[in-house]
Amino acid sequence: DVKVTQSSRYLVKRTGEKVFLECVQDMDHENMFWYRQDPGLGLRLIYFSYDVKMKEKGDIPEGYSVSREKKERFSLILESASTNQTSMYLCASSSGLSGAQPQHFGDGTRLSIL
Amino acid sequence: DAKTTQPPSMDCAEGRAANLPCNHSTISGNEYVYWYRQIHSQGPQYIIHGLKNNETNEMASLIITEDRKSSTLILPHATLRDTAVYYCIVRSNQGGKLIFGQGTELSVKP
Repeated sequence: DVKVTQSSRYLVKRTGEKVFLECVQDMDHENMFWYRQDPGLGLRLIYFSYDVKMKEKGDIPEGYSVSREKKERFSLILESASTNQTSMYLCASSSGLSGAQPQHFGDGTRLSIL
Repeated sequence: DAKTTQPPSMDCAEGRAANLPCNHSTISGNEYVYWYRQIHSQGPQYIIHGLKNNETNEMASLIITEDRKSSTLILPHATLRDTAVYYCIVRSNQGGKLIFGQGTELSVKP
């Protein structure tokens, strides 16, 4: 079974802090994704990576950056946290980018910015 | 990606089959039908996907109509742990991001 592990289930940070969310997958997948999920807005793609050190912006990259130094690990960074970044953050991985390859998700990190 | 329509909620008795419908009347030939579910406060869980043929795995069966305009996810023997929001997604062969709609909230009752 695919295992995607996010480092924290719940996190509370303060406005202006730099926040790191970590994600690790154990299936040697090429592609990794960061989404945020908000009530009424569904899932929105922040960034994705199709290879080590490669990244692409998603629909809402502003205020975020990512790092992929190793194949199995994809980090999401909130450069200066703001209250509107309070959300559920979901990491996913897939073996390919085509529609035939499913994305597998971690359990999410519920982040609160005070 | 084509839009999907699902009933907002459904009930099912424990041990019975749960049949969750999805309408995707504007689906095109190279688009896959995917099903995910999300249990409260957890990440989405992949269930199954298909292009044209019916599919079965250890979790569920996916029945796609011949014209591909609708599909049904079947959980053969629902348990209380199957209570979740179920999302039907149409995804192009070019893949990319997943777009979740409102889904169907399935309640399995004893």
